[in-house]
Amino acid sequence: DVKVTQSSRYLVKRTGEKVFLECVQDMDHENMFWYRQDPGLGLRLIYFSYDVKMKEKGDIPEGYSVSREKKERFSLILESASTNQTSMYLCASSRPGGAGSNQPQHFGDGTRLSIL
Amino acid sequence: AQSVTQLGSHVSVSEGALVLLRCNYSSSVPPYLFWYVQYPNQGLQLLLKYTTGATLVKGINGFEAEFKKSETSFHLTKPSAHMSDAAEYFCAVTKGSNTGKLIFGQGTTLQVKP
Repeated sequence: DVKVTQSSRYLVKRTGEKVFLECVQDMDHENMFWYRQDPGLGLRLIYFSYDVKMKEKGDIPEGYSVSREKKERFSLILESASTNQTSMYLCASSRPGGAGSNQPQHFGDGTRLSIL
Repeated sequence: AQSVTQLGSHVSVSEGALVLLRCNYSSSVPPYLFWYVQYPNQGLQLLLKYTTGATLVKGINGFEAEFKKSETSFHLTKPSAHMSDAAEYFCAVTKGSNTGKLIFGQGTTLQVKP
């Protein structure tokens, strides 16, 4: 089974802090994703990486950056945390899409981040 | 552009009753469709997916979904609800071809009453 591990289940930080969320997958997947989940809004893509050192902005990248130095690890960085970044953050990984992109994404258990 | 609409943010059924969760999509390319389930304090788990071929797709835990191109729908059903089915359910469609990215609906919370 694919295992996607997020380093923290719960995290509390203060406004202005630089925050790192870590994600590791053990299935040698090329694609990795960071989402935030808010009630009534579903999942929104923050950033996407399709290979080591490669990244692509998602739908809501403002205030975030990412790092992918190794294939198995994808980090989300909040450069200067703000209260509106309080949310559930989900990491996912998948094989490359190929024609039609029918590869499912596999998710970690999420990090519930509170910014005070 | 691709989009997903889940009709009803909350659905409540009695144990043993039919479960029907609605999902409509729009896509400018042949869609690949997914249903995910999220139990409390957990990540998303794949229930089933439609890629090509048979339009009735069977998934885990007794769920199934039917792809209806003419109605642009991919509704999720289960003949008999169990208490353990209480969770949030997300429908998703691929964002374009060959991108690996998904667009998710807003989610539907299923409540199962004893």
